[in-house]
Amino acid sequence: QITLRESGPTLVTPTQTLTLTCTFSGFSLRTRGVGVGWVRQPPTKALEWLALIYWDDDKRYSPSLQSRLTITKDTSKNQVVLTMTNIDPVDTATYYCARRPNYYDNRGLDYWGQGTLVTVSS
Amino acid sequence: EIVLTQSPGTLSLSPGETATLSCRASQSVSGSSLAWYQQKTGQAPRLLIYGASSRATGIPDRFSGSGSGTDFTLTISGLEPEDFAVYYCQQFGSSPYTFGQGTKLEIK
Repeated sequence: QITLRESGPTLVTPTQTLTLTCTFSGFSLRTRGVGVGWVRQPPTKALEWLALIYWDDDKRYSPSLQSRLTITKDTSKNQVVLTMTNIDPVDTATYYCARRPNYYDNRGLDYWGQGTLVTVSS
Repeated sequence: EIVLTQSPGTLSLSPGETATLSCRASQSVSGSSLAWYQQKTGQAPRLLIYGASSRATGIPDRFSGSGSGTDFTLTISGLEPEDFAVYYCQQFGSSPYTFGQGTKLEIK
């Protein structure tokens, strides 16, 4: 059974750094082709792709946010961590992590966490 | 960066009817690496279609996808009450793996 779960602060002060952790089970980031990524959704708005890290440590970022984002993995803990610097109220959103099962085919994000709402406010 | 434009923004139909949703890319999506997701209020997105036309595991056959290059379509035949939701397309042909802005399918 594959599961992903996001964790992190629910309230963040502007200019701080946000750190979110995705803890997953049922698959391994040591498996060739596998990736785990982050997607966010501001209240009542559309999905926005943020970043993704692959089994081989290849990292992909949204160009508009790249300067503020860092994605890392800890394969021994089955975790992927996303950090976002200089947080702003416009970053208020539900943040999801999701699995990409295989870099070498055209499957999408097949398993998602339930999401975590992060509010940015002073 | 590939920009995906979905249309219409909102689609109002009745149960039993057929829904046709469009996703147009600003440049060709390589390998037909396009996926469709369904999102209901308060829930995470669910993968429906990948590779433009392959149904994900457990997805009913009333959902079908088609298209290639820059034009893709999601068709839902014989709408069921549980199909009324927001639908997003996403491309994996090249990074960044962008989403469309979504189509809301509502009950008429």
